Amino acid sequence: EPEVTQTPSHQVTQMGQEVILRCVPISNHLYFYWYRQILGQKVEFLVSFYNNEISEKSEIFDDQFSVERPDGSNFTLKIRSTKLEDSAMYFCASSNSGPLMRGYTFGSGTRLTVV
Amino acid sequence: AQSVTQLGSHVSVSEGALVLLRCNYSSSVPPYLFWYVQYPNQGLQLLLKYTSAATLVKGINGFEAEFKKSETSFHLTKPSAHMSDAAEYFCAVSVQGGYQKVTFGTGTKLQVIP
Repeated sequence: EPEVTQTPSHQVTQMGQEVILRCVPISNHLYFYWYRQILGQKVEFLVSFYNNEISEKSEIFDDQFSVERPDGSNFTLKIRSTKLEDSAMYFCASSNSGPLMRGYTFGSGTRLTVV
Repeated sequence: AQSVTQLGSHVSVSEGALVLLRCNYSSSVPPYLFWYVQYPNQGLQLLLKYTSAATLVKGINGFEAEFKKSETSFHLTKPSAHMSDAAEYFCAVSVQGGYQKVTFGTGTKLQVIP
């Protein structure tokens, strides 16, 4: 069964450093997403991406965040200057278009720890 | 805007007993509804989803959920709990059209007592 692949599974970074979280969506999917789950809390939507541009973003997704699909296969989330409160599990997801949301699939996540 | 409310952040059941996890939704348009399970330190696994076909939806691992429009509910059930069902369960909602963002509930941790 096709999978969404996220790397690395765990990343530790110092406060103020830039991090890039990487995702390889399912190959024929058109919509891409990032979600965040702070430890012990619910999963929160960050951003959706379609046709090489952001289609929707939450209030969490401020100027410190950016997304990119650099080469037609990877989908990345960049945090420019990490803060302690950015520590969380970050999930990538991808889906087909269509009314039944076929194939909406989450990756296994990257746990980001900011120290 | 759509939202879901999960009643009970922690639920304990005995092994072999009925599992009932409650979820109520709010949406101004017909919703899509989901249940996801998350085992410790793992990702999100889709248990089942409702997309306006049959109101009783059967999922993996013996779970099912019934969409009740009159009650705006989508409760998750399993007739007989197994130790391996211990996990956190998230109800979630999305809507047709748009860019299909999924809005999650706060989660319910299921404990199964031997």
